[in-house]
Amino acid sequence: GAVVSQHPSRVICKSGTSVKIECRSLDFQATTMFWYRQFPKKSLMLMATSNEGSKATYEQGVEKDKFLINHASLTLSTLTVTSAHPEDSSFYICSASLSGGTTDTQYFGPGTRLTVL
Amino acid sequence: QKEVEQNSGPLSVPEGAIASLNCTYSDRGSQSFFWYRQYSGKSPELIMFIYSNGDKEDGRFTAQLNKASQYVSLLIRDSQPSDSATYLCAVIGSSASKIIFGSGTRLSIRP
Repeated sequence: GAVVSQHPSRVICKSGTSVKIECRSLDFQATTMFWYRQFPKKSLMLMATSNEGSKATYEQGVEKDKFLINHASLTLSTLTVTSAHPEDSSFYICSASLSGGTTDTQYFGPGTRLTVL
Repeated sequence: QKEVEQNSGPLSVPEGAIASLNCTYSDRGSQSFFWYRQYSGKSPELIMFIYSNGDKEDGRFTAQLNKASQYVSLLIRDSQPSDSATYLCAVIGSSASKIIFGSGTRLSIRP
């Protein structure tokens, strides 16, 4: 159980285009989903916390207009990288937890590797 | 001081030996502790979670938690080359608002 999927797994796009990444919890309802990015050989960086039906909470330094997050249902959250540029190239990973309690575990999706040309 | 600290490594351990990975955290009120394994180019996968002081064993893995010392560790017995990966320690603090990840320890098991 606790499977999280992401789509697409890999995307290459031209500079200036927008890219949407989907994150789905397949066998559980996730009240909270998280979006991370990770540069090569670097640690995970939390970008935002997404709660179903409400606005996402962004970490300091993350542009909310650049990285649009929508958590439309208990099983789906999307991250849209708007007007992507080469510096946005990274590994984007979502995770989902069952609820917001102190003992809940985050389960990670397989990640999306974005390359902006 | 970082909220969750790990030695970046690399930690090199001979095959068959015990690998010991350590993590300290700053929030004394933290309640939940996790170990994730991340292979290069892949996303993290959960290995174990621990909430109470003491040891928790699952197969070749043992998590140890000492809240008084604000210390959590992961032992891997009978290390295999397939255990070579980066191990991330993660903590949910007293505010319970989000999980904080350490920067990870790179483990290399040499045949």
